[in-house]
Amino acid sequence: DGGITQSPKYLFRKEGQNVTLSCEQNLNHDAMYWYRQDPGQGLRLIYYSQIVNDFQKGDIAEGYSVSREKKESFPLTVTSAQKNPTAFYLCASSFMGKGEAYNEQFFGPGTRLTVL
Amino acid sequence: AQKVTQAQTEISVVEKEDVTLDCVYETRDTTYYLFWYKQPPSGELVFLIRRNSFDEQNEISGRYSWNFQKSTSSFNFTITASQVVDSAVYFCASLRGGYQKVTFGTGTKLQVIP
Repeated sequence: DGGITQSPKYLFRKEGQNVTLSCEQNLNHDAMYWYRQDPGQGLRLIYYSQIVNDFQKGDIAEGYSVSREKKESFPLTVTSAQKNPTAFYLCASSFMGKGEAYNEQFFGPGTRLTVL
Repeated sequence: AQKVTQAQTEISVVEKEDVTLDCVYETRDTTYYLFWYKQPPSGELVFLIRRNSFDEQNEISGRYSWNFQKSTSSFNFTITASQVVDSAVYFCASLRGGYQKVTFGTGTKLQVIP
């Protein structure tokens, strides 16, 4: 089945540690995105990538890093520089191109990160 | 910059009641897209509908209907005869034409009480 997978579902990290969240898609989508969701708040964009080996900062990129070595994969690293990393992280992907059929994003199940 | 406002933070209704979720957007663009997503307790966002700025036709899909009015910059979502399975957080979002960054509202938590 086509879709987006994120792993792990729950992640615990000690302060000062870097941690990497996985996101894989087999939808042949061009663009991939990482969002952060805090309780009672909407989604905030961390990073996005429209093509392999290229990515752009979103609204809250500080303390995070990404890579896009393969079209299917867009891992997110939460570094020790992120002061308040406890949150729910959602990965999404979409096609790119002209026409409205290329606009909607499809989401993975999310990873809940807790800093101990 | 685009902005999406969902003024209703939480709504509770009794099963079988109708409920409308409000969404007001701000944009200076002539081409834009509006979306609604559902986030059940499991966490994954589920796409519900997309509407482009040139199509103000209302849409109905089963118990769901959407009312897009450019004159009031609103894209409201109505659930008819609500069910417990409708309990979720609903997000309205917008996208500028030709761009990839989606702007999300803060969401409305809907609780349907049996």
